[in-house]
Amino acid sequence: KNQVEQSPQSLIILEGKNCTLQCNYTVSPFSNLRWYKQDTGRGPVSLTIMTFSENTKSNGRYTATLDADTKQSSLHITASQLSDSASYICVVTPNYGGSQGNLIFGKGTKLSVKP
Amino acid sequence: KAGVTQTPRYLIKTRGQQVTLSCSPISGHRSVSWYQQTPGQGLQFLFEYFSETQRNKGNFPGRFSGRQFSNSRSEMNVSTLELGDSALYLCASSLVQTGELFFGEGSRLTVL
Repeated sequence: KNQVEQSPQSLIILEGKNCTLQCNYTVSPFSNLRWYKQDTGRGPVSLTIMTFSENTKSNGRYTATLDADTKQSSLHITASQLSDSASYICVVTPNYGGSQGNLIFGKGTKLSVKP
Repeated sequence: KAGVTQTPRYLIKTRGQQVTLSCSPISGHRSVSWYQQTPGQGLQFLFEYFSETQRNKGNFPGRFSGRQFSNSRSEMNVSTLELGDSALYLCASSLVQTGELFFGEGSRLTVL
């Protein structure tokens, strides 16, 4: 069964610190893997999108990595800010793609950045 | 370029009532999908519409329905509301070529 597992479920860090969020998936083959940021009560916003052939993708202080062999992705946040407090969602598109209904969503990691 | 617009943003209903939510996609996006988000469950796919046709439907009861109009705007309807329908309902639009989802701010439904 195609699954996307994210860890940890929640994380608290101090402002200015770095952190890494994990996404393990069983979807194979897959077309792309995306990371979204969702502020509380708002809609998710895309951070990065990587195809199966890409290893890393950066967006400012956010860097996503992908290891297709181990079926793992990570999102690294550098020099965290209070505004990074949000849920981060990993989404995998299977190779048979097509409909948005085929996307596999992780349940997200809730990050809290404290001053 | 205007983003995805969802209305209303917040609403409170009682059990047994019905509700209609609206979604206006980004101009040029013909694919619209709907998701239910509850704490601990993540995003659950409801349905997707493309060119006024339902392309796919998630595993939800028939009380959940939707439609898409010729201008790509979409509505979803939930009839005979239950307490468990309380959730954030998100709409996303996308270009078929890229498939990248652009989400609206959501409609927060509370069922009392």
